[in-house]
Amino acid sequence: KAGVTQTPRYLIKTRGQQVTLSCSPISGHRSVSWYQQTPGQGLQFLFEYFSETQRNKGNFPGRFSGRQFSNSRSEMNVSTLELGDSALYLCASLSQVGEAFFGQGTRLTVV
Amino acid sequence: AQTVTQSQPEMSVQEAETVTLSCTYDTSESDYYLFWYKQPPSRQMILVIRQEAYKQQNATENRFSVNFQKAAKSFSLKISDSQLGDAAMYFCAYRSRVNTNAGKSTFGDGTTLTVKP
Repeated sequence: KAGVTQTPRYLIKTRGQQVTLSCSPISGHRSVSWYQQTPGQGLQFLFEYFSETQRNKGNFPGRFSGRQFSNSRSEMNVSTLELGDSALYLCASLSQVGEAFFGQGTRLTVV
Repeated sequence: AQTVTQSQPEMSVQEAETVTLSCTYDTSESDYYLFWYKQPPSRQMILVIRQEAYKQQNATENRFSVNFQKAAKSFSLKISDSQLGDAAMYFCAYRSRVNTNAGKSTFGDGTTLTVKP
């Protein structure tokens, strides 16, 4: 069974630009969650999608958004990038018994 | 809101010895999951062990076991016969079983484990 796939693995963007990250969950998993990991703030929950609906949202500004498609693939978008958005962005796919399986992450650097 | 606290930023253990990582959490819910994840330098977050709050029996996965004390809201991880490959950052995580919160995990700040040969 293929794992969670995140693309791209690495990204360098300039302040003010926008970025879109992609996550393909494990086949059959309908829930996808996104997390931001930074040395200073640790792992912070961004949002969760279940069957194309946002079910939960963390405490992030509106510049952070996401969506989920009918095949459960999810994208997250960050607009008007700031230096502080530099982080590892992790996507997790949730099984029906509550286990979260993570992708390898996308390392975003904002310069 | 739930919180997860890992009070040990760093731990070290000699190869083949046993080490215990601590985790406490705070919640008003009665039905939830607790997890330990391992994140090696490759950054891939790997599930180590899972505990359902309604189960009194402590979970065990090979060399990894937990001591789950629900009343004390404590969830420690014991690694027996430590191996060099166990070196990583370990995160304790909480997830509600309430449907609307089911997709959100709350993580502790992590414990960096060093294994000495």
